[in-house]
Amino acid sequence: GQNIDQPTEMTATEGAIVQINCTYQTSGFNGLFWYQQHAGEAPTFLSYNVLDGLEEKGRFSSFLSRSKGYSYLLLKELQMKDSASYLCAVRTNTGGFKTIFGAGTRLFVKA
Amino acid sequence: DVKVTQSSRYLVKRTGEKVFLECVQDMDHENMFWYRQDPGLGLRLIYFSYDVKMKEKGDIPEGYSVSREKKERFSLILESASTNQTSMYLCASSLPNNEQFFGPGTRLTVL
Repeated sequence: GQNIDQPTEMTATEGAIVQINCTYQTSGFNGLFWYQQHAGEAPTFLSYNVLDGLEEKGRFSSFLSRSKGYSYLLLKELQMKDSASYLCAVRTNTGGFKTIFGAGTRLFVKA
Repeated sequence: DVKVTQSSRYLVKRTGEKVFLECVQDMDHENMFWYRQDPGLGLRLIYFSYDVKMKEKGDIPEGYSVSREKKERFSLILESASTNQTSMYLCASSLPNNEQFFGPGTRLTVL
């Protein structure tokens, strides 16, 4: 079957660094996405990895290891506005390039 | 600015009613998607479409149908609403192999 696992909740302090992990078991891997979703709002795209390694985009970085079925999202210099859910999503090329979403990790940033 | 709009933010319907959820995107995207989002379950794909008049079943199509008569519009139909279809419904669109852009969501309550 196809499965994506990520922690349900995390708490971190303003100004700190936090790493949100995602592990997946899917067939036909075709890329991994991270989305941010604030409460009551739509998800918005953060990052995309299709090859192994680190992709950096400002305060956010995302890492992928295809052989381990593992990714993480790294958030640096945390701000209160980073309190949100972070969704890990894997695109597969089976059944027509579907994207499978994890349940999301709710991040609480405290002062 | 890219935009995906949904016809309603909140909707209350009675069991057995036929429900139409409309989604419109202005980005000329080929791909459009309907998801439902429930606490602890994440985003689950109901149906998707690669082109006008084309549709593919997602992971949970039972009780739903879709229509894509024009490229910019993708409609989700609940043939006979049931209480277990109470959920947040999210529409998204994308170019092939690119990130998805989400609408604001429709919170549907079936009484």
